[in-house]
Amino acid sequence: AQSVTQLGSHVSVSEGALVLLRCNYSSSVPPYLFWYVQYPNQGLQLLLKYTTGATLVKGINGFEAEFKKSETSFHLTKPSAHMSDAAEYFCAVSGGSQGNLIFGKGTKLSVKP
Amino acid sequence: DARVTQTPRDKVTEMGQEVTMRCQPILGHNTVFWYRQTMMQGLELLAYFRNRAPLDDSGMPKDRFSAEMPDATLATLKIQPSEPRDSAVYFCASGLVRGEGDNEQFFGPGTRLTVL
Repeated sequence: AQSVTQLGSHVSVSEGALVLLRCNYSSSVPPYLFWYVQYPNQGLQLLLKYTTGATLVKGINGFEAEFKKSETSFHLTKPSAHMSDAAEYFCAVSGGSQGNLIFGKGTKLSVKP
Repeated sequence: DARVTQTPRDKVTEMGQEVTMRCQPILGHNTVFWYRQTMMQGLELLAYFRNRAPLDDSGMPKDRFSAEMPDATLATLKIQPSEPRDSAVYFCASGLVRGEGDNEQFFGPGTRLTVL
């Protein structure tokens, strides 16, 4: 069975600092991994996804994530935080042929001026 | 720019009333999902459909909730009777599932339900 653990329900960084949001997964099949972002009063939107191939995946708004099979991790990073990055971030793993996604509990990112 | 639409965006109702939320998935997507999001429970999967047939509704309270897809362009989530504990944001999402695992989902803007 698939599962996702996001370490830290809240992360606070200063503007211009590195953003690191952690995600570990468990999957009985080769994983497909996703990061979604939710801005206040909006739905979730896809930041990036790992399917196959290159393990370093680049997404929108300067975010990237690296798939590390040995560590069962898919951490999200951004070199320099902007105020506009303040949002909730969800990591997800594919549920396989059923077509669903297994979401983590989310990490709320705050950016201090 | 294809997107998932949901109506209404906001709904305030009295306890005991029927509530119907509607979703128009992206044309060509074969799978539709309903989620509920609250501060306490986070994001919960309620039910989902493949090619309009219910695939899994184990996350849905059966006694008062029902979900249907009358046609490929409309999914509905109904609560009857509504209770204050149903207050939440309800999201619809759709995706094109081909079985290989790239199950990207596209989310609508949500319906914020308040039951007084």
